[in-house]
Amino acid sequence: SQTIHQWPATLVQPVGSPLSLECTVEGTSNPNLYWYRQAAGRGLQLLFYSVGIGQISSEVPQNLSASRPQDRQFILSSKKLLLSDSGFYLCAWAVEEKLFFGSGTQLSVL
Amino acid sequence: AQSVTQLGSHVSVSEGALVLLRCNYSSSVPPYLFWYVQYPNQGLQLLLKYTSAATLVKGINGFEAEFKKSETSFHLTKPSAHMSDAAEYFCAVGSGGSYIPTFGRGTSLIVHP
Repeated sequence: SQTIHQWPATLVQPVGSPLSLECTVEGTSNPNLYWYRQAAGRGLQLLFYSVGIGQISSEVPQNLSASRPQDRQFILSSKKLLLSDSGFYLCAWAVEEKLFFGSGTQLSVL
Repeated sequence: AQSVTQLGSHVSVSEGALVLLRCNYSSSVPPYLFWYVQYPNQGLQLLLKYTSAATLVKGINGFEAEFKKSETSFHLTKPSAHMSDAAEYFCAVGSGGSYIPTFGRGTSLIVHP
């Protein structure tokens, strides 16, 4: 069966520090992968999606970037975090038009 | 282009009462429609999915949703609310190809004893 791993669960970072969140999927090949951000009371915002290795599409201009170095690995990064980067970050993968989400990372930028 | 509107950021019901969470969509192609549930500090979990096979879709935990094309709606219902149903519910619309679903802003379901 397919599983998705996302870590860390919680992260507190100072403004201006770098960020790296990792997501890996097991039990499938060539999945569509997604990074969403969820800010309080604002629903889900799609940040990036990828349909294959090295293929990244950005939905929103921002301080973040994404990479897909391997088929089942999706990384969200920032060189310098802003206060506005705080939120709940969710990785997901898709099969048959359905999304399966990781457990999320709560990022607090102070 | 596609969009989703969820009416009501919060819905409050008593335990045992009917649950109705509203969702209206806009899509330029025949849509795929979804409801997801999110419990505190967790990722989203798929409740049910509509893909044109049947207008009434049954999901997990006793929830169901009815696709009404004329009203562009896909409301989520459950006959009798349980305390464990308290969560955030998201409606989403998608289409084929490079699948990029659009989510509504979510509705928080509060269940009172």
